[in-house]
Amino acid sequence: AQRVTQPEKLLSVFKGAPVELKCNYSYSGSPELFWYVQYSRQRLQLLLRHISRESIKGFTADLNKGETSFHLKKPFAQEEDSAMYYCALYGQNFVFGPGTRLSVLP
Amino acid sequence: KAGVTQTPRYLIKTRGQQVTLSCSPISGHRSVSWYQQTPGQGLQFLFEYFSETQRNKGNFPGRFSGRQFSNSRSEMNVSTLELGDSALYLCASSLVAGYHNEQFFGPGTRLTVL
Repeated sequence: AQRVTQPEKLLSVFKGAPVELKCNYSYSGSPELFWYVQYSRQRLQLLLRHISRESIKGFTADLNKGETSFHLKKPFAQEEDSAMYYCALYGQNFVFGPGTRLSVLP
Repeated sequence: KAGVTQTPRYLIKTRGQQVTLSCSPISGHRSVSWYQQTPGQGLQFLFEYFSETQRNKGNFPGRFSGRQFSNSRSEMNVSTLELGDSALYLCASSLVAGYHNEQFFGPGTRLTVL
């Protein structure tokens, strides 16, 4: 079975503080992991994917196969980072986590 | 390029009725996926179509069906609507099927079942 969990429904941080959005997954094979973001009144969009090993808008995510985690991190949060973040896994098809709402306070 | 479009944007139906939702992918994209989003269950995969063939199906009852046309436009149909079918239905398109290509999401169709 494929499953993605995001333990925090809401995460509030102050501008300039580090942020980490947690994601854990379960999948018997070797999955591909993604982070999607939805800003207010905008469409769901891809933020970054594990296979690209990229940093987008200052965000990075490291796949830890031992801990089956794919946490999203940014060293200095900005107010424009406030959004809904979804971790997703592709095994046989896309499975999304429940999402974490990030609120960056001024 | 125009983005993914979905019609209608809002729909109100009553229990027992059926509904058809439409999705037009980005020009050149041949893969279309459908998702159901509810506050309780989150974003759940319904099905994926590529070149008019259903490539993958999520864990939904047979009341949920879909198809893709030769121009890559896709429709999904829900028959015998239930209250629990009230949700935001999202469509996403990509160049080809699978995870290698980025999915681009539409704005969704908000279905309310009374």
